[in-house]
Amino acid sequence: DGGITQSPKYLFRKEGQNVTLSCEQNLNHDAMYWYRQDPGQGLRLIYYSQIVNDFQKGDIAEGYSVSREKKESFPLTVTSAQKNPTAFYLCASSQIGTGVAGELFFGEGSRLTVL
Amino acid sequence: QKEVEQDPGPLSVPEGAIVSLNCTYSNSAFQYFMWYRQYSRKGPELLMYTYSSGNKEDGRFTAQVDKSSKYISLFIRDSQPSDSATYLCAMSASNDMRFGAGTRLTVKP
Repeated sequence: DGGITQSPKYLFRKEGQNVTLSCEQNLNHDAMYWYRQDPGQGLRLIYYSQIVNDFQKGDIAEGYSVSREKKESFPLTVTSAQKNPTAFYLCASSQIGTGVAGELFFGEGSRLTVL
Repeated sequence: QKEVEQDPGPLSVPEGAIVSLNCTYSNSAFQYFMWYRQYSRKGPELLMYTYSSGNKEDGRFTAQVDKSSKYISLFIRDSQPSDSATYLCAMSASNDMRFGAGTRLTVKP
């Protein structure tokens, strides 16, 4: 089945450690996104990429990094510089120029807890 | 002031009730309005989509957009326990998409 696969589902990290969250899609979508979800707040955009080897900062990019070496993959690294990394992270993709404008297809999320 | 305001609830209703979920927004440039449904520990999925003002109906669900008031609504008729989820409003202009905080809905049998 086509979709977005995020891994791991749950991740624990000690302070000072970098962690990388994986996101793979087989929908052949051009654009991919990373969002952060915290209780009582809307989804906030961390980074997005509309094409391979190019990505743009979202609203809360500080302390995060991404790469887009392949169309189907968009990993997110949460660095030790991120002051409050405990959150639910969602990866999404969309097809530019076709389909419903603004329709995002989401993965099942990765919950990161800093100990 | 947040760009998109949505009451987080929680909202609890009996099975069969009509549910009304709402969002207000401040950016008049928004043209695409969406409702996403998110089950617990899952990613959101697109439920309804509306372009500009007006109503759209899909089965038990009706989405309304009033651009003059900057107000959007989602109505659920004959609510079912399977409708229990968090409902997120979202709106976009060009490449800028904004989400509400989500309203947690529980439908009790």
